[in-house]
Formats: sequence, structure tokens, C-alpha cells
Amino acid sequence: DVKVTQSSRYLVKRTGEKVFLECVQDMDHENMFWYRQDPGLGLRLIYFSYDVKMKEKGDIPEGYSVSREKKERFSLILESASTNQTSMYLCASSRFGAGENEKLFFGSGTQLSVL
Amino acid sequence: QKEVEQNSGPLSVPEGAIASLNCTYSDRGSQSFFWYRQYSGKSPELIMSIYSNGDKEDGRFTAQLNKASQYVSLLIRDSQPSDSATYLCAVNVQAAGNKLTFGGGTRVLVKP
Repeated sequence: DVKVTQSSRYLVKRTGEKVFLECVQDMDHENMFWYRQDPGLGLRLIYFSYDVKMKEKGDIPEGYSVSREKKERFSLILESASTNQTSMYLCASSRFGAGENEKLFFGSGTQLSVL
Repeated sequence: QKEVEQNSGPLSVPEGAIASLNCTYSDRGSQSFFWYRQYSGKSPELIMSIYSNGDKEDGRFTAQLNKASQYVSLLIRDSQPSDSATYLCAVNVQAAGNKLTFGGGTRVLVKP
């Protein structure tokens, strides 16, 4: 089974802190994604990556950056955390290819609270 | 207009009945459609994918796609309490650079 592991299940940070959310997958997937999920707004794509050192902006990239130095690891960085970034953050991965790109395997999520 | 729309529910169905979930999308160029199930406090998991007009069956689940009318449906036959979850419709939106766009989800409650 594909395993996508997020480093923390719950995280509490203060406004202005730099926050790192880590995600590791063990199935050699090319694609990796970061989503946030908020009540009433559903899943929204922040950033994604199709290859090492490659990144693409999603629908809501403002206030975030990412890093993909190794194929299995995709990090989300909040440069200066703000209260409106309090959310559930979900990492996902998928295999590259027609009919495969959208078959996402999700991690268990990180509930981030910014105080 | 949202790119992918779902009724948020809750959709309450008695055990053993058919649950019918609908999803509409705005981009006529969309080619790939998916249903993800998310239990409360858990992450989404893929349960169905459909690419061609018509029906696709997998166990108690049937996905229906009508590209002309721009909707995709999910039927859950013989609903069980374990089917109680939020069901997310996801569409590969061509106009958005072939990114997967999720609807807000429909919460389903199956009552014994």
C-alpha cells in the first residue's frame, strides 16, 4: 500500500513564526501536492510538484512556498504564519501518467492552529 | 460559478436504500472525473473514477457521467451505516491546466 506520511498530526504556532510541514511518500510517485481543507470551502490546491526541484502554484499559493529536494519528500513552508492560515493541511501523491495523475493518495493531515 | 459544485447535504438515507449524489462542473473540456470518500477526521480516499459517458459499476457503487449536461453522479446501493461520510467530487479541469478541482463535498448519513 502507498503510504504518505505527514510529520505532525496537530501543530500550534504563533503569528509570525516560520512553519515547516513535511510530507514523505514511499511509493516512488512523481507527483506531490499540498492542499488545505476548510469547512464550506472544500479542498484547495496550494502547490504541486511533478518532479524533483520542480514546483507549480496551485489556486491559493499566497503566503506559502514549497521545497522538493528529493523525490519522496515535499515540504510546505509558511514564511510568516498568520491566523487565516489556521486549517487542515493535506499532502497527497500520485503516479505520473494518463489516468494516474489524479488518483491521489493522501496523508493523514496536519491540523495547524496559528494563534 | 464554482468550477465543481455539490450539494453540501446532509443527505439522510435509511439503511438499505439508494443514496444518490450529484455533482456539476463548468468546464466542457473536462475529461476525468473522480469520487473520493472522506470519513470524519480522516483523509480522502479514491473510490471511483470515470472517463466516458454512461455508467461504471464497482460493487455497491455506480458512477454516472453525462458530459453533454456536465454532471457526474454517484449511486450507493444498499446503503450501510459505514457509508456515512462526506463524498467529494473531483474533476480534471482542462481550463485550469488539467488540475484536479474538488467540489465542497456532500455529507451522507445512513440511518439504521
